[in-house]
Amino acid sequence: DSGVTQTPKHLITATGQRVTLRCSPRSGDLSVYWYQQSLDQGLQFLIQYYNGEERAKGNILERFSAQQFPDLHSELNLSSLELGDSALYFCASTTGDNYGYTFGSGTRLTVV
Amino acid sequence: DQQVKQNSPSLSVQEGRISILNCDYTNSMFDYFLWYKKYPAEGPTFLISISSIKDKNEDGRFTVFLNKSAKHLSLHIVPSQPGDSAVYFCAAITGNQFYFGTGTSLTVIP
Repeated sequence: DSGVTQTPKHLITATGQRVTLRCSPRSGDLSVYWYQQSLDQGLQFLIQYYNGEERAKGNILERFSAQQFPDLHSELNLSSLELGDSALYFCASTTGDNYGYTFGSGTRLTVV
Repeated sequence: DQQVKQNSPSLSVQEGRISILNCDYTNSMFDYFLWYKKYPAEGPTFLISISSIKDKNEDGRFTVFLNKSAKHLSLHIVPSQPGDSAVYFCAAITGNQFYFGTGTSLTVIP
């Protein structure tokens, strides 16, 4: 167990649906990053939160949104799902920008 | 338990010299290894990969070495440039499972 918990581990859903992925950061870490790993595009940065505030935004679609709650857990909401959204979604937490990243084991989303 | 470990959180190297970033793993079933590079406030970008059936892969200034008996992976950057200053992650894949190291922050001093 890396200390970062992602749920669910696997998710199968139909096109057009909406899902929520959850990430609990390692204890003490204030920063949460979300990434999408797909076979053809590698690891894509989606969004970063720091202590509840959005810190940086990457290649996140308008259909996707995220938030970080006061207890520091984060949720990634994916709506109007398309087949191409099928991927592994990782979150990582850290206390700073340059060290101590801990990745979760990922949520595998399959859109059918 | 961390299956992929980067035990050096930081590394400083003079411009023009070699940078060696190390990664250790515990699972002998990993069949593919990757290195990513990350600048602050950006996501990681893929650098180079190696299959478990190889022991070396080279791409320009970047070479990855795999020592399966030691369960050790290293990334060599020669010559190092100031623009290489970033955080480097190693990652390992088995089946559809990805495992990432915690990153090493490389600083290349001009």
